[in-house]
Amino acid sequence: DVKVTQSSRYLVKRTGEKVFLECVQDMDHENMFWYRQDPGLGLRLIYFSYDVKMKEKGDIPEGYSVSREKKERFSLILESASTNQTSMYLCASSEAHRSSGNTIYFGEGSWLTVV
Amino acid sequence: AQTVTQSQPEMSVQEAETVTLSCTYDTSESDYYLFWYKQPPSRQMILVIRQEAYKQQNATENRFSVNFQKAAKSFSLKISDSQLGDAAMYFCAYRSSYGQNFVFGPGTRLSVLP
Repeated sequence: DVKVTQSSRYLVKRTGEKVFLECVQDMDHENMFWYRQDPGLGLRLIYFSYDVKMKEKGDIPEGYSVSREKKERFSLILESASTNQTSMYLCASSEAHRSSGNTIYFGEGSWLTVV
Repeated sequence: AQTVTQSQPEMSVQEAETVTLSCTYDTSESDYYLFWYKQPPSRQMILVIRQEAYKQQNATENRFSVNFQKAAKSFSLKISDSQLGDAAMYFCAYRSSYGQNFVFGPGTRLSVLP
């Protein structure tokens, strides 16, 4: 069965803290994604990675960075957390687009509250 | 850039009835893929149905079917014989044939009334 695992379901952090959100997939997928989900805004792409050590900015990269040292692991980093980063964060993975219509698989999400 | 719009933030349906969720998208490309994803209260997003733009035939998965109107850039989801377990957020998504990213709409929250 397809599996995308996010290490933390619920986190509470203080303003200014450095926050790491970890994600692991077991499907040998090339692509990995970090989305932020907010009510009324749907899913917005923060960063995605199409290979180890490769990354591309999404729609809302400000205040975030990512790391992909191994194919199966993709980390989202908030260098200095702020209250406007309180949100649900979704990790996802997919195959590279060699054939048509590869779908995307999601983790369960990480609820981050910054106080 | 592609955009996906879902004009119904919330909808409700009686159990066993049929409901249609709307989705429109904007693209200049001719080859792409469209998806409907379901996010139940447990929060893990799962694929409901997928449509290749080059296929004229509408995709169907059991009680779920789509009405794909390529010229109108419309991709609605029909749920027949609605069940309590269908209650969830539903997201419409677009993926270009030329890119890796998925673009999601804002979602429609579906309630199923007993």
